[in-house]
Amino acid sequence: EAQVTQNPRYLITVTGKKLTVTCSQNMNHEYMSWYRQDPGLGLRQIYYSMNVEVTDKGDVPEGYKVSRKEKRNFPLILESPSPNQTSLYFCASSYRRPGGLGLTEAFFGQGTRLTVV
Amino acid sequence: GQNIDQPTEMTATEGAIVQINCTYQTSGFNGLFWYQQHAGEAPTFLSYNVLDGLEEKGRFSSFLSRSKGYSYLLLKELQMKDSASYLCAVDAGNNRKLIWGLGTSLAVNP
Repeated sequence: EAQVTQNPRYLITVTGKKLTVTCSQNMNHEYMSWYRQDPGLGLRQIYYSMNVEVTDKGDVPEGYKVSRKEKRNFPLILESPSPNQTSLYFCASSYRRPGGLGLTEAFFGQGTRLTVV
Repeated sequence: GQNIDQPTEMTATEGAIVQINCTYQTSGFNGLFWYQQHAGEAPTFLSYNVLDGLEEKGRFSSFLSRSKGYSYLLLKELQMKDSASYLCAVDAGNNRKLIWGLGTSLAVNP
């Protein structure tokens, strides 16, 4: 079954304690991205990756890191979480259309609800 | 700048038809997506338009006018389970990322 898997689904942590949210897809998608979703602010992109070892900042990258060492995995790292990073996080993946014609539809992971106290 | 506008909330009655509008201003255009998102869940893909006109998929249809920067999602024979947020997103081509609207929260009443 084609899917994007995020872990954990729920996490409560304390300020400053490093954490990693994992994301894995089994569709051989080139493009992967991380979003956070907050009430009234919609989906905001944190980082994205066009392919292995190619990552770039989205709209709200401060306080986050990512890596793309393998095509299927795209972990999100919070080196020193703060309460303003409390949010619902989604990982998503898609194909890149040939000829530079953009992206196909995104498949989303189940979401990670993070609370930083 | 680049932006997408959608109504914040809409209400409709079970069995009726509802149209959710989306207007966009982007520097480029590689297509427009509609997603459905139930509360606390992940968005799921509904439709994609890249050429002008109507795309029909069961009870859901989506329309695009590139010259007007306008799209709508049409939901027919509404069911209670259609109560959700509907997100419009444009592949603007630049930086290879999607531009997202804030979503339209649809409430379907009996």
